[in-house]
Amino acid sequence: DGGITQSPKYLFRKEGQNVTLSCEQNLNHDAMYWYRQDPGQGLRLIYYSQIVNDFQKGDIAEGYSVSREKKESFPLTVTSAQKNPTAFYLCASSLKSSGNTIYFGEGSWLTVV
Amino acid sequence: AQSVTQLDSQVPVFEEAPVELRCNYSSSVSVYLFWYVQYPNQGLQLLLKYLSGSTLVKSINGFEAEFNKSQTSFHLRKPSVHISDTAEYFCAVRAPHLIPRGSTLGRLYFGRGTQLTVWP
Repeated sequence: DGGITQSPKYLFRKEGQNVTLSCEQNLNHDAMYWYRQDPGQGLRLIYYSQIVNDFQKGDIAEGYSVSREKKESFPLTVTSAQKNPTAFYLCASSLKSSGNTIYFGEGSWLTVV
Repeated sequence: AQSVTQLDSQVPVFEEAPVELRCNYSSSVSVYLFWYVQYPNQGLQLLLKYLSGSTLVKSINGFEAEFNKSQTSFHLRKPSVHISDTAEYFCAVRAPHLIPRGSTLGRLYFGRGTQLTVWP
């Protein structure tokens, strides 16, 4: 089936550890995105990438890093510099033109203890 | 840049009642408009979108939204809700351009969401 696969669904980490969330898509989409969702705050853009080997910071990039070595993959690393990393993380992708729908993965819950 | 305001964070209604979820946006350019729905612990699914043409757009499960340029609104309505419609609904806007590198054009801006709860 075509779609966006995020893994793991649930992840627990100790404070001070880096953690990487996986996002893979087989939709042949050009653009990929990472959003963070907190209750009552909607979705906030962390990073986005329009083409391979290129990405831009979103609104809350501090404490996060990404890579885009392959068109289908856009992993997100939550570093120890992120002060409040516990959240629901959503990966998304779309074709380049703005009229196209942005499709979302099922999300990953990260809990830092 | 664009911004989106969803005026109600919580909307409780009884089953079979009508509902309206309000969305207003601000933008210096014309925009594309979207409504997404999120069920608990899941990602977002596109419910409907307005790109151009008829200002009234409809989803397959009975929701509809009307683009009102003068009021900069894109309210979501359903004449009779079901318990299965209980979910969080997000309004979003996007500028209608190809995405140049480093530009904020083409980004999807979300409102804070409206939790619709349908009671029996």
